[in-house]
Amino acid sequence: AQSVTQPDIHITVSEGASLELRCNYSYGATPYLFWYVQSPGQGLQLLLKYFSGDTLVQGIKGFEAEFKRSQSSFNLRKPSVHWSDAAEYFCAVGAAGFGNEKLTFGTGTRLTIIP
Amino acid sequence: DGGITQSPKYLFRKEGQNVTLSCEQNLNHDAMYWYRQDPGQGLRLIYYSQIVNDFQKGDIAEGYSVSREKKESFPLTVTSAQKNPTAFYLCASSKVQVDYGYTFGSGTRLTVV
Repeated sequence: AQSVTQPDIHITVSEGASLELRCNYSYGATPYLFWYVQSPGQGLQLLLKYFSGDTLVQGIKGFEAEFKRSQSSFNLRKPSVHWSDAAEYFCAVGAAGFGNEKLTFGTGTRLTIIP
Repeated sequence: DGGITQSPKYLFRKEGQNVTLSCEQNLNHDAMYWYRQDPGQGLRLIYYSQIVNDFQKGDIAEGYSVSREKKESFPLTVTSAQKNPTAFYLCASSKVQVDYGYTFGSGTRLTVV
């Protein structure tokens, strides 16, 4: 079965600084990988996804993520964060090539932005 | 615009009462899911349904029940058997192919007093 680990529970960065949120997955075959963002009291919004092709994926709000098969990682990055990026971020993995499969979510990383 | 609607946004109930949370989607998605979210615990799957009139238990189904009589609707009932029902509940939907990801509703915060 697939699994996802987000090793950082909480990260604090200064506004304008760069950001990297870590995500490691466990799955034997080619995974489908997702990053979602959740503002307080809201649902989750899809930032970006990877399922094939270019390993560097661009998403909304200026985010990008890089799939590294050798490291089983799919880290989320942003060159310069804005105060509005403060939220909780979830990485998720799905099984490629199968129908009727569920996504497995990580436990999330809470991002705090300081002025 | 298509989307997924959860109602109400806030719900208060007395201990021992059953309560039903609504989830409706107009995305023509086949699959629907219910998650519970508690601080620091991420998303925990309660129930899911991949076709009308069929559903499966997730990781924490005890004390909850669901129905899927229509493709668009997947209501969740929190029963009095649920030991700690106060939480944030999220509904999601998806196509059968997981590569499309999930679309989430905006959640219902249930408080039991």
